[in-house]
Amino acid sequence: QVQLQQWGSGSLKPSETLSLTCEMSGGSFSDHLWSWIRQSPGMGLEWIGEITHWGNTAYNPSLRNRVTILIDTSKNQYSLSLKSVTAADTAVYYCARVSTGSFIVKSGGVTTPHYYYYMDVWGEGTTVTVSS
Amino acid sequence: QSALTQPASVSGSPGQSITISCTGASGAVGTYNLVSWYQQHPGRVPKLIIYEGTKRPSGVSDRFSGSKSGDTASLTISGLQAEDEADYYCCSYAGSDFAVFGGGTQVTVL
Repeated sequence: QVQLQQWGSGSLKPSETLSLTCEMSGGSFSDHLWSWIRQSPGMGLEWIGEITHWGNTAYNPSLRNRVTILIDTSKNQYSLSLKSVTAADTAVYYCARVSTGSFIVKSGGVTTPHYYYYMDVWGEGTTVTVSS
Repeated sequence: QSALTQPASVSGSPGQSITISCTGASGAVGTYNLVSWYQQHPGRVPKLIIYEGTKRPSGVSDRFSGSKSGDTASLTISGLQAEDEADYYCCSYAGSDFAVFGGGTQVTVL
């Protein structure tokens, strides 16, 4: 089955750039999106962004000016860069595979599209600490 | 600030049923967007337990069920067990190529 292994810089100083890599094994990049999610200490999950196997990206508006997600399909890897980090970026960072799509529901002669989005495979998480 | 609102905590006694709500803003949980739910035990990786609003991945107990009414999605845990004590998050596509999580609900088994 598909597995995600992640690694990267665990300790940073303010203003440095966070860099993480996620390697996928046991599957194909082409049928899914590939995302990054983080969780600050004691807090909830925050969606950072995602990338397709073509390299098309989408980012959380709150991070868009600092984040870059890239993909290297030849290595089965994708990466996260977050520049100009501060203590607020201290978190556990997860990579995760995304399944998304839509289907039509017909009811009473009316057809409506339904959209789904979920993360079904997760990396083990990387703890990143930003401190001077 | 999350676009999906969940109660901060829900509790129940063993054997009881509990329901966690997930209410969307700006259409994040609307007629067309199907929510997914995740279970996270302390210090562990989140685990998908409900997808496409109502479906369970293989291996997930049928004590977990998902539903939706209007702009509110719900996760019900039936026959509550000690091992269900965890944090639960809903997630939805929010449009404009953006996904969002709820703030999370801490489930306590009394």
